[in-house]
Amino acid sequence: EVQLVESGGVVVQPGGSLRLSCAASGFTFDDYTMHWVRQAPGKGLEWVSLISWDGGSTYYADSVKGRFTISRDNSKNSLYLQMNSLRTEDTALYYCAKDGAGYYYMDVWGKGTTVTVSS
Amino acid sequence: EIVMTQSPATLSVSPGERATLSCRASQSVSSNLAWYQQKPGQAPRLLIYGASTRATGIPARFSGSGSGTEFTLTISSLQSEDFAVYYCQQYNNWPPALTFGGGTKVEIK
Repeated sequence: EVQLVESGGVVVQPGGSLRLSCAASGFTFDDYTMHWVRQAPGKGLEWVSLISWDGGSTYYADSVKGRFTISRDNSKNSLYLQMNSLRTEDTALYYCAKDGAGYYYMDVWGKGTTVTVSS
Repeated sequence: EIVMTQSPATLSVSPGERATLSCRASQSVSSNLAWYQQKPGQAPRLLIYGASTRATGIPARFSGSGSGTEFTLTISSLQSEDFAVYYCQQYNNWPPALTFGGGTKVEIK
């Protein structure tokens, strides 16, 4: 069974840092691009970032560019999101998602991990 | 940035009826359009990709159509488990700057 399990979400103060993790199983992790997508409380979905299968290419939404860094460790079947200079508007449920075979839609999603940025 | 606009924001439908959801792109996205379903407290689920191809395990009552800037998701006969929020997402531009629509909530009439 394909599974994605996120972790690392906590309450953090504005300006703080956090690293999210996503553990993947049930598929050949290093064959696929991976995404982070977030959802603020009561709001819609917002794509955050993607990383190519080998980590060689990364892309970000303008809202997080320069503050967040996506990375992966294919030897550990794991995806990461380093979040720096956090703002209250970064408060959201963060989902890890598997790419649909190179076309940049998301065919498998984790259950998400909650990040709250508050003083 | 390609802006995706979904309408209506809320759709009230009786079980067994047909539901038609719309998604409009601010510029052409060709057929690079996906639809997702999200139920309360759950992660989104992929329904449709390539504007009209159903994802694995998705019932035939879900169908997608359109290309360019105008897209439609049709649920032919609503079942109780279909009441949810539906999002469209474009994946056409390069470098990738993926964007979602604001969602349509399908509720019981």
